Amino acid sequence: DTGVSQDPRHKITKRGQNVTFRCDPISEHNRLYWYRQTLGQGPEFLTYFQNEAQLEKSRLLSDRFSAERPKGSFSTLEIQRTEQGDSAMYLCASTRAGGNYNEQFFGPGTRLTVL
Amino acid sequence: AQTVTQSQPEMSVQEAETVTLSCTYDTSENNYYLFWYKQPPSRQMILVIRQEAYKQQNATENRFSVNFQKAAKSFSLKISDSQLGDTAMYFCAFIPDSGGSNYKLTFGKGTLLTVNP
Repeated sequence: DTGVSQDPRHKITKRGQNVTFRCDPISEHNRLYWYRQTLGQGPEFLTYFQNEAQLEKSRLLSDRFSAERPKGSFSTLEIQRTEQGDSAMYLCASTRAGGNYNEQFFGPGTRLTVL
Repeated sequence: AQTVTQSQPEMSVQEAETVTLSCTYDTSENNYYLFWYKQPPSRQMILVIRQEAYKQQNATENRFSVNFQKAAKSFSLKISDSQLGDTAMYFCAFIPDSGGSNYKLTFGKGTLLTVNP
């Protein structure tokens, strides 16, 4: 069990640029989640996949955000035309299907700073 | 919609002492799960303890235990024999067990716990 990994760990970008983050879940986990955490707040749900299907998206996920999980393994989260309000920690988590009792394992996060 | 409230933004405790972190939640669900997650500085979030709402017995994990009061919608975390490594942000989280697509965690704002030597 190598854990959930995320890349990059830090990203600094200028307003208006596009950024893409990657998440590699624990290999046998078929559910994958993206959360956003701003300073002084708890993580907020953005979207979730079961295998390759994106089953739910939060209202927080504007049209500038898109997430994919093409083969049901790793996932990418892209933000187009970044804004300063997008600055946050983006967390990925994964879990096995079979009930909400299952622990969601979190990655270390990608900290995005938009200048 | 569910909400989770942690009313203590920061707490501190002396090493080896006991501390209790508070959490309240609001939901119309009858079946759900509650979690405490720990996020150490610059490190990833890990699960500390979880509780099934249908279980009356409070969950315990070594030095960590919860006081779950379903009627009051309260879910506090007690840390006994506090250690320096317990210094972290602690998040209370809720997830319903209603099936469908409600698989996301709802978090509180967190409590920053500092354990002092």
